[in-house]
Amino acid sequence: GAVVSQHPSRVICKSGTSVKIECRSLDFQATTMFWYRQFPKKSLMLMATSNEGSKATYEQGVEKDKFLINHASLTLSTLTVTSAHPEDSSFYICSAQDRVHLGHGYTFGSGTRLTVV
Amino acid sequence: KQEVTQIPAALSVPEGENLVLNCSFTDSAIYNLQWFRQDPGKGLTSLLLIQSSQREQTSGRLNASLDKSSGRSTLYIAASQPGDSATYLCAVEMDSSYKLIFGSGTRLLVRP
Repeated sequence: GAVVSQHPSRVICKSGTSVKIECRSLDFQATTMFWYRQFPKKSLMLMATSNEGSKATYEQGVEKDKFLINHASLTLSTLTVTSAHPEDSSFYICSAQDRVHLGHGYTFGSGTRLTVV
Repeated sequence: KQEVTQIPAALSVPEGENLVLNCSFTDSAIYNLQWFRQDPGKGLTSLLLIQSSQREQTSGRLNASLDKSSGRSTLYIAASQPGDSATYLCAVEMDSSYKLIFGSGTRLLVRP
């Protein structure tokens, strides 16, 4: 079945540094990937839609200069949290779709726990 | 603006009990509704997807129903097991946009 690999699973960084999170579709091509953020005991909030070969589409209220998204190939999207601050600490999850085989079915990565100290 | 609500927020039941999780949405013009499972600190696992034209979907001990006109969906879990303990999330997709709007989830604990 469709598998999405997300790396790293956990990262601790200092305030002011940048962190890159990778999301890879392992056995299918994903023209579109999605990045979500989840606060403790809260729902997933869509941050942006990542389109291969073009600029990401950000949801209202999400700073695109803060959360840089690059979708350079059909199997890889990256989210870079720039100049991280403690309030950026959260759980970030990506998802991708194998539209050929799964239609509207979604496959999620295992998430990245970011802690900014 | 679509809002998705899940009740209850948390549920604790003894093993073997049948249970129902509820999901409601404010805008009935959905493309589909999906149920996911999330284990602590992990990603999401897709459980069931119900197209807007469908009334229910079944997979093993799970049955999900959809009443689009009233803006409701239920996830029925039969003969619950401790391994079912997790957070269950419902999400709706609007207008084939491929963007999901999630509820806040129900944290389920099945006690041995």
